[in-house]
Amino acid sequence: QLQLQESGPGLVKPSETLSLTCTVSGGSISSGSYYWGWIRQPPGKGLEWIVSSYYSGSTYYNPSLKSRVTISVDTSKNQVSLKLRSVTAAETAVYYCARHVTLGYYYYMDVWGKGTTVTVSS
Amino acid sequence: DIQMTQSPSSLSASVGDRVTITCRASQSISTFLNWYQQKPGKAPELLISAASSLQSGVPSRFSGSGSGTDFTLTISSLQPEDFAIYYCQQSYGTPTFGQGTKVEIK
Repeated sequence: QLQLQESGPGLVKPSETLSLTCTVSGGSISSGSYYWGWIRQPPGKGLEWIVSSYYSGSTYYNPSLKSRVTISVDTSKNQVSLKLRSVTAAETAVYYCARHVTLGYYYYMDVWGKGTTVTVSS
Repeated sequence: DIQMTQSPSSLSASVGDRVTITCRASQSISTFLNWYQQKPGKAPELLISAASSLQSGVPSRFSGSGSGTDFTLTISSLQPEDFAIYYCQQSYGTPTFGQGTKVEIK
C-alpha cells in the first residue's frame, strides 16, 4: 500500500526558506506515469496546488509561486522535496505531498500524505 | 487562472437525505473536474475523477456529473461518515480548487 509521509521544520521565520521532504513507501517513485507534488491549506481555508514533478524532470508550477519554488525528486531515497523561498506569515499552512495521476488534461491527486503543519513566524 | 465556485458553501442535512453540491468553472473545462472529500484534521481523499468516474473503494451513493462549466456531486443517501467538506478541482489549466462545501448534520 503506497504511503506518503511529509517531514520538515514546523516553524520557519519570515523571509526564510521553507524546506519539506516527502518520503514515499510501498512503491517506487520512478514507476508508472505519476507525478509527485505539493498542495497546501492555510488554517480554516481551502486548498492551493503548488507544484508537481515527474521523476525524470518534467515539472509544472503554480504560476503565482513559480519564482520562489524548487521541487526535486530523489529516486535513490524515494523522496520528493519542496523548497519555498522568502515565505511570509500568510504561507502558514498544512503542506500535503500527493501523487498526481496524469492522463492528458486529466490530472488528479489520488494518494495523499497526512500533511505537515508549517508556521511562518518570527 | 480558472476560478471554481462551489455552492452552497455549507449545508445541513439528515442521514438518508439526498445531497447535491454544485461546482461552476469560470470557463469551459470539458470534463476535467475532480471531487475530493476532507474530514477534520485529515488529508483530502479523491472521490471522483473526470467528472463522473468513481474511484475504487468509494461507495456507489456518490456520483458526479456535468461538463463544460457546470458540475454536480450527488450523495444519494447521506450516511454519518459523509459529514465532511467537499472540494472540486479542475485540471484544464493550472490546477485550482473550489472553496469547499461543508456538509453538516441537521
